[in-house]
Amino acid sequence: KAGVTQTPRYLIKTRGQQVTLSCSPISGHRSVSWYQQTPGQGLQFLFEYFSETQRNKGNFPGRFSGRQFSNSRSEMNVSTLELGDSALYLCASSPIAAPVKNEQFFGPGTRLTVL
Amino acid sequence: TQLLEQSPQFLSIQEGENLTVYCNSSSVFSSLQWYRQEPGEGPVLLVTVVTGGEVKKLKRLTFQFGDARKDSSLHITAAQPGDTGLYLCAGDRYGNKLVFGAGTILRVKS
Repeated sequence: KAGVTQTPRYLIKTRGQQVTLSCSPISGHRSVSWYQQTPGQGLQFLFEYFSETQRNKGNFPGRFSGRQFSNSRSEMNVSTLELGDSALYLCASSPIAAPVKNEQFFGPGTRLTVL
Repeated sequence: TQLLEQSPQFLSIQEGENLTVYCNSSSVFSSLQWYRQEPGEGPVLLVTVVTGGEVKKLKRLTFQFGDARKDSSLHITAAQPGDTGLYLCAGDRYGNKLVFGAGTILRVKS
């Protein structure tokens, strides 16, 4: 099976712009989660989608949003970018929604740099 | 304050040495996972432990879940340069979002 794919791999934006990141989960996986990883804060949970519905949400401002399509592919959007949004954004898929084990299969990430 | 405290934050050892990484919390988890992440890549799941006191082995890696399901450890025997990476523990609190520790950066020198 192909792994989780994320596009683009690298992105450079300026403050105030918006960005959309894309994630294709492993075939058959219906749960998709998004994480932000920075050297200072580590891996922080953004949100989880299952069957096109947001099931869990982390403590991020409303500028961070996401959605999931009927084929389980997911996108996340960040509006009005700030310098502090520079990070590695990771998408992970899971074969079923929580609560069982919740094992995550991560993609390679999108490296976002905000100038 | 991190819900999951990992220690040490950084470990630099010689090839062939043994090491242990700890993951501690005051909260109970339904399961705990260990991941390894290499530069430029996403974390890769190594193991999931579910039962209190459970011990799992993956070649030279031994994972243990505390009896009270609040802590876990990862022990590597005879470390090799290929073990270099960021090790992350993640706790699952009964279906809520996964909580990750800050990670342990391991460097194994040949």
